[in-house]
Amino acid sequence: GQQVMQIPQYQHVQEGEDFTTYCNSSTTLSNIQWYKQRPGGHPVFLIQLVKSGEVKKQKRLTFQFGEAKKNSSLHITATQTTDVGTYFCAGRGDAGNMLTFGGGTRLMVKP
Amino acid sequence: GAVVSQHPSRVICKSGTSVKIECRSLDFQATTMFWYRQFPKQSLMLMATSNEGSKATYEQGVEKDKFLINHASLTLSTLTVTSAHPEDSSFYICSARDRGTRPLLNTEAFFGQGTRLTVV
Repeated sequence: GQQVMQIPQYQHVQEGEDFTTYCNSSTTLSNIQWYKQRPGGHPVFLIQLVKSGEVKKQKRLTFQFGEAKKNSSLHITATQTTDVGTYFCAGRGDAGNMLTFGGGTRLMVKP
Repeated sequence: GAVVSQHPSRVICKSGTSVKIECRSLDFQATTMFWYRQFPKQSLMLMATSNEGSKATYEQGVEKDKFLINHASLTLSTLTVTSAHPEDSSFYICSARDRGTRPLLNTEAFFGQGTRLTVV
């Protein structure tokens, strides 16, 4: 079945440093979504990428979808303490109706 | 964005009893709802896909007789954990897809707030 791997599992950064999390799928995806989950909270939808090579930006967040539509990344520029949380990617296969979540990357930001 | 309401947010029950969790789409119709389980510091694991008016599709390893799912209307799906045991303690989250969205493309999964179940 489809597997989605996400690295790193954890990342500690100093406030102001950049942060990147990477997502790799075992199969080609029709689209990939990114979510943020704060401690004790529920996943909140951030963005969806559909096209090969697509790049989208949301303020300090940059999302990329690989040319082969099997990998994706989320980059945060100049992290802030409000960025703390776990970032999940979730991929949907070509024939799929369901999302497969990556393991998540827990971001901790030191003020 | 669309709102999905999940209730209750927390529940403590005795071993052997059943617990019902509700997932409602408040401002859109959801033909498909998904139920996930999340253990502490782990990812979301899909348990089942619930389609309005039909039987749920369960993922491998999920006992359908233990986790009963009902999706009787376009705005409500329920998950009932039957004969709960301490190992069923977990965070259960539902998500819903807007019926008005084109299938497979540009879809979003809107998540409920989650239910933390503790079985004692």
